[in-house]
Amino acid sequence: QKEVEQNSGPLSVPEGAIASLNCTYSDRGSQSFFWYRQYSGKSPELIMSIYSNGDKEDGRFTAQLNKASQYVSLLIRDSQPSDSATYLCAASSGSARQLTFGSGTQLTVLP
Amino acid sequence: NAGVTQTPKFQVLKTGQSMTLQCAQDMNHNSMYWYRQDPGMGLRLIYYSASEGTTDKGEVPNGYNVSRLNKREFSLRLESAAPSQTSVYFCASTVRNTEAFFGQGTRLTVV
Repeated sequence: QKEVEQNSGPLSVPEGAIASLNCTYSDRGSQSFFWYRQYSGKSPELIMSIYSNGDKEDGRFTAQLNKASQYVSLLIRDSQPSDSATYLCAASSGSARQLTFGSGTQLTVLP
Repeated sequence: NAGVTQTPKFQVLKTGQSMTLQCAQDMNHNSMYWYRQDPGMGLRLIYYSASEGTTDKGEVPNGYNVSRLNKREFSLRLESAAPSQTSVYFCASTVRNTEAFFGQGTRLTVV
């Protein structure tokens, strides 16, 4: 059974702080990793993808991947109230590169 | 560009009734997926189709059937709905090893 584990939270940070979200995965065959943001009642939307070890930065978001430790993280700098959402970590593997999702971390950014 | 379109958006069924959820994508993607999302459980894969003409079971296939009608369309059928199938259903599509695009979701209640 392929598993992706996330801290379920909830996680609260003050506006302007750094939010740190973590994820571990069990399938060493996973090749691609994604962070999705999901607002209440909406569908998931991709915010970051990462395919190789190290850091990947995109604006206020930084994804980190460590395949040896089977660990993925997302840092959100200068957090804004609009970042308040559930963040889903996903790992891609298998013949159709199907995604296995974690249960999500609910983030609240306090004004 | 509509992306991934799901119908219907909302549905209430009585136990034992059947229905088909429709999904279509206009991005020429090869792979399509059906997920269900329950509170606190992230998204779980029901069925997927790596390419036109192929379908495979995911993590939670019991009680469901699928049809990959053509490259664009992937339908999910509940033959005899049960209250345990009350959930939010998402269809998604992807080009191999890249991000998955999600439809807007179908909120299904079985009473």
